[in-house]
Amino acid sequence: EPEVTQTPSHQVTQMGQEVILRCVPISNHLYFYWYRQILGQKVEFLVSFYNNEISEKSEIFDDQFSVERPDGSNFTLKIRSTKLEDSAMYFCASKVGVPTGELFFGEGSRLTVL
Amino acid sequence: DQQVKQNSPSLSVQEGRISILNCDYTNSMFDYFLWYKKYPAEGPTFLISISSIKDKNEDGRFTVFLNKSAKHLSLHIVPSQPGDSAVYFCAASEVQGGSEKLVFGKGTKLTVNP
Repeated sequence: EPEVTQTPSHQVTQMGQEVILRCVPISNHLYFYWYRQILGQKVEFLVSFYNNEISEKSEIFDDQFSVERPDGSNFTLKIRSTKLEDSAMYFCASKVGVPTGELFFGEGSRLTVL
Repeated sequence: DQQVKQNSPSLSVQEGRISILNCDYTNSMFDYFLWYKKYPAEGPTFLISISSIKDKNEDGRFTVFLNKSAKHLSLHIVPSQPGDSAVYFCAASEVQGGSEKLVFGKGTKLTVNP
């Protein structure tokens, strides 16, 4: 069964460092997302991406965050200068189409900022 | 700002009995609702969804009920099995409003005892 894959599964970084989280969405999917879950809290929307551009983003997704689909298969989330509060599980998700397509999530990348 | 609320952080039921997970929402613009299941160290997995034009959707052991006037939905699992033990997230979106994002509740941890 096709799945969304994410790397790394866990990354530890120092505050202020740049981090790139990588995702390979399901191959025929057209819509891509990043969500995050801070420990003990709810899953929160960060950004959606379609047709090589951001279609929607949350207040969390400030100038420190960026997304890219550099080669037609990978979908990356970059955090330029990490803060302690960026520590969370980051989930990539994709779906075939809107409006009501099922969202498939990856297993997540745990980011720990020290 | 909790637009989607799952007021029960945990629920414990006996195998074979019915599990009822509840979810309330405040945003009347939400028109599509989903339930996701999440095991530890994995991403959320789609279970079942319902559009606001319906009041019930059934898929095997899983049934979702929507009461729009009360802004309430529930997930029924019958019969419950030990393998159903997981965290269940309710999520909602404004499809007609063109919003891409899912707004999640905090989740309910279901434990099905053998």
